[in-house]
Amino acid sequence: AQRVTQPEKLLSVFKGAPVELKCNYSYSGSPELFWYVQYSRQRLQLLLRHISRESIKGFTADLNKGETSFHLKKPFAQEEDSAMYYCALRRDYGQNFVFGPGTRLSVLP
Amino acid sequence: DTEVTQTPKHLVMGMTNKKSLKCEQHMGHRAMYWYKQKAKKPPELMFVYSYEKLSINESVPSRFSPECPNSSLLNLHLHALQPEDSALYLCASSQEVTGANVLTFGAGSRLTVL
Repeated sequence: AQRVTQPEKLLSVFKGAPVELKCNYSYSGSPELFWYVQYSRQRLQLLLRHISRESIKGFTADLNKGETSFHLKKPFAQEEDSAMYYCALRRDYGQNFVFGPGTRLSVLP
Repeated sequence: DTEVTQTPKHLVMGMTNKKSLKCEQHMGHRAMYWYKQKAKKPPELMFVYSYEKLSINESVPSRFSPECPNSSLLNLHLHALQPEDSALYLCASSQEVTGANVLTFGAGSRLTVL
């Protein structure tokens, strides 16, 4: 069965420091990986997805099929990045999206 | 309109009540989803409708009954719920286009079962 793990429940960094939120997955088919973010009092929204290979709000993520990872990185964290981040996997380009347990990022001033 | 709208925002019901949650989108998305999210947990998939037909049912108890009257509307009918069903119920939609199938979420309906 497909599974998404995010080892850190809470990650605290200082403003301006680099940040990396880890995501690992287990799935034998063709996965599509996403990062979703939920800011305080806002709805869950897409941050980025691996097929786009784009940078959003300074965040990037690279799919590493060898290590089955899709870590989210930003070189200089900002206070407004504080939020809950969920890594998600979509099976075989279908409709079954599976979410990881989430990492709460706290960027300290 | 680029939003998914859910009503009501909050619902309190007894275990013998019958109520419904509603979801609406006007983005032309042809897949609509119900997710359940307990506090401090990730969303868990319940149902998926694709082109108004139920395509995924993640072994959800029959006290939850989904309905998709048309391509813009999705309902979740609730009957004889248990207190442990209290949660945030999220609706989402997506295009049915390979490579562009990302979820757009509503703000959720927070359900409390007494």
